[in-house]
Amino acid sequence: AQSVSQHNHHVILSEAASLELGCNYSYGGTVNLFWYVQYPGQHLQLLLKYFSGDPLVKGIKGFEAEFIKSKFSFNLRKPSVQWSDTAEYFCAVNVKAAGNKLTFGGGTRVLVKP
Amino acid sequence: DVKVTQSSRYLVKRTGEKVFLECVQDMDHENMFWYRQDPGLGLRLIYFSYDVKMKEKGDIPEGYSVSREKKERFSLILESASTNQTSMYLCASSLVTSGTYFGAGTRLSVL
Repeated sequence: AQSVSQHNHHVILSEAASLELGCNYSYGGTVNLFWYVQYPGQHLQLLLKYFSGDPLVKGIKGFEAEFIKSKFSFNLRKPSVQWSDTAEYFCAVNVKAAGNKLTFGGGTRVLVKP
Repeated sequence: DVKVTQSSRYLVKRTGEKVFLECVQDMDHENMFWYRQDPGLGLRLIYFSYDVKMKEKGDIPEGYSVSREKKERFSLILESASTNQTSMYLCASSLVTSGTYFGAGTRLSVL
């Protein structure tokens, strides 16, 4: 079965700092990849997704992610964070051969200091 | 906008009670899912469904069952609630070609 690892449980940084959240998955076949965000008190929202094509994916709110197939990675980046980016971020993988169910990483809590 | 609605935001139940969590989506999605979310563990899949009256076990189905009598509605059932089922429960729906959309969640406390 596939698994998803997020390397950092907690990240604390200042406004305007750059953010990179690591995500690795373990599955050798074709996958779809997602990043979701959960702001305090709110439900999960899709930030961006990768199905095929250009491995550099741009999402909402200035986020982007790069799929590196050889490294089984899908890291999330933002060049300059804002206080409003304080949230929990989840990486998720969907194995095409297994239908549409998602496997999630453990999540990374990001706190941006004003 | 896709809307996934969970009937309750907060529930408090006693050990041994039968608990129903209801979820409705309004986008005619074929796929529906129930996850639970616990700190440090991310989201774990309990059950999912690809079609009406069809269900598949996820990663942690023990102690749960589901019902999908209509395409838009997917219910999670705790036959006999236990304290280790205290958690945030998230319903989701999707099409194969799109992302997965989540409801606001139901925070269940079992005392």
